[in-house]
Amino acid sequence: GQQVMQIPQYQHVQEGEDFTTYCNSSTTLSNIQWYKQRPGGHPVFLIQLVKSGEVKKQKRLTFQFGEAKKNSSLHITATQTTDVGTYFCAGLDEEYGNKLVFGAGTILRVKS
Amino acid sequence: GAVVSQHPSWVICKSGTSVKIECRSLDFQATTMFWYRQFPKQSLMLMATSNEGSKATYEQGVEKDKFLINHASLTLSTLTVTSAHPEDSSFYICSATTINSNQPQHFGDGTRLSIL
Repeated sequence: GQQVMQIPQYQHVQEGEDFTTYCNSSTTLSNIQWYKQRPGGHPVFLIQLVKSGEVKKQKRLTFQFGEAKKNSSLHITATQTTDVGTYFCAGLDEEYGNKLVFGAGTILRVKS
Repeated sequence: GAVVSQHPSWVICKSGTSVKIECRSLDFQATTMFWYRQFPKQSLMLMATSNEGSKATYEQGVEKDKFLINHASLTLSTLTVTSAHPEDSSFYICSATTINSNQPQHFGDGTRLSIL
């Protein structure tokens, strides 16, 4: 079946350092979505990527969708303590129905 | 916009009790709602997909008689954990979309269920 792998599982950075999490799908995706979950909270939608090779930016966050539409990354420049949380990618492959498959998530901790 | 309310946020009950969790879309009509289960520090595992007016589609390994889902209106879906046991203790989260999963999902706050 469809699988979405995400690495690293955990990252602890110094405030001001950059951070990247990577997502890889076993199948070609229709789109990929990114969510952030703060400790004790629920996932909050960040962005959706649809086109091959697409790059989107939200302030210090840069999202990329691979040319083959099987991988994606989220890069945070100059992390801040407010970036703390778990970042999930979630892929949609219409051949497996209209449901998202979530990656395992990357837990980000930021030392001030 | 796109607010999803989930209730209750926390339940503690005895083994054998049935527990109902509600998921409401407050400011939009949710044609599709999803129910997830999340264990501590783990990812979201899809349990079932619920479409208004039709039977829910359950993922492999999820007992439909154990986890009853009803999506009676475009703004409300319910998950009932029947005869709950300690192994059912978990964080249950619902999400809703307006059209299908191709649209972003809007999540409720989740329900932490503890079965004694």
